Amino acid sequence: GAGVSQSPSNKVTEKGKDVELRCDPISGHTALYWYRQRLGQGLEFLIYFQGNSAPDKSGLPSDRFSAERTGESVSTLTIQRTQQEDSAVYLCASSLVTGNTEAFFGQGTRLTVV
Amino acid sequence: KQEVTQIPAALSVPEGENLVLNCSFTDSAIYNLQWFRQDPGKGLTSLLLIQSSQREQTSGRLNASLDKSSGRSTLYIAASQPGDSATYLCAVLPNPKAAGNKLTFGGGTRVLVKP
Repeated sequence: GAGVSQSPSNKVTEKGKDVELRCDPISGHTALYWYRQRLGQGLEFLIYFQGNSAPDKSGLPSDRFSAERTGESVSTLTIQRTQQEDSAVYLCASSLVTGNTEAFFGQGTRLTVV
Repeated sequence: KQEVTQIPAALSVPEGENLVLNCSFTDSAIYNLQWFRQDPGKGLTSLLLIQSSQREQTSGRLNASLDKSSGRSTLYIAASQPGDSATYLCAVLPNPKAAGNKLTFGGGTRVLVKP
């Protein structure tokens, strides 16, 4: 596609349920980032994938959070046993790692845990 | 650890006035710096990317400068319009090929352009 695509755009889930968020990066972009943005707050780094290198998971807030990426394609962010404090917009971005490394963001997934 | 600061946190100007948004970073070893715009409830839209070897980048009414040695970037928006009202974020990238790479964001400047 032309841009970074995230699905679903909105997700309401009950506390304790697991959720899976999806990110389709721009074709050919080897770098992929996940960020979280709580209401009225700044962007919080979660995880970074670059090609076949081991991902940088240093931003994941707890072991309830995990992410996968198959090769240079789709990534999924999974949150297990969701808590109310997980309510936020989850943003995904992708970029090249050489030449023009401009990062492009998707529109985000708004997660509400009730 | 890289830290990015944007001051002021909020700015209100009358329509037609030029906007000056500031971004400072603590570690000058950056690969590039990128400015984004975020509208309420939306994702981030890329405005300008400045490579570390560049001094400035222009797109329409937008001009971004970079002084890597002093750890500063400035985004100028000429002849502001109400449609420019949004939050503006800057982010620095250390090394896109490094395992520990990530975009580090400032807290943003919330801009209101009054008609």
